[in-house]
Amino acid sequence: DAKTTQPNSMESNEEEPVHLPCNHSTISGTDYIHWYRQLPSQGPEYVIHGLTSNVNNRMASLAIAEDRKSSTLILHRATLRDAAVYYCILSFVPFNAGGTSYGKLTFGQGTILTVHP
Amino acid sequence: NAGVMQNPRHLVRRRGQEARLRCSPMKGHSHVYWYRQLPEEGLKFMVYLQKENIIDESGMPKERFSAEFPKEGPSILRIQQVVRGDSAAYFCASSSNVGTYEQYFGPGTRLTVT
Repeated sequence: DAKTTQPNSMESNEEEPVHLPCNHSTISGTDYIHWYRQLPSQGPEYVIHGLTSNVNNRMASLAIAEDRKSSTLILHRATLRDAAVYYCILSFVPFNAGGTSYGKLTFGQGTILTVHP
Repeated sequence: NAGVMQNPRHLVRRRGQEARLRCSPMKGHSHVYWYRQLPEEGLKFMVYLQKENIIDESGMPKERFSAEFPKEGPSILRIQQVVRGDSAAYFCASSSNVGTYEQYFGPGTRLTVT
């Protein structure tokens, strides 16, 4: 499996933008880049995913380098509720099962984001 | 639209007992995944199931653990003869069958073995 590298921790102030980096230098052409986050004592929460182009949704933006060896999750205005562990995950489709495809998620250690009021 | 539901949220078992963890996927989702998070560790994939089929159980311990997702009813993760090392948070996730890669996680079951 292709690996990802993230900083152990980052800090931000409330209402400021946050850029969370992820390196994935061994990414393959079929790997999607996913971001999930896990708030304290909760299950992980899907944030965003992409393949090649930058992506935006209501939660965040995902900026993908042209060579796809790195990506950045952007929270435009951090809130206290954004304090969580953020996981950058590469997902691939190893085979088709019953006519559909799936992606097994391999979580690393993630980045602990602390947001200061 | 209700999210992924897991019960119980907390489960205490003595060594040697059985633990049964239940997961009801989101409505319309036919793919279920189980993950385990040991204390101070990351989430580890255990098993992936579709209705009545185990697709990938590469992350399941070879003994004492089993999973099912029957045609009717929730997915069950069963741990027989629990040991202290089984104490962990067990998360279930589901996804739809239209090729999306988004997985929706439940709140988890925290198993404590005494």
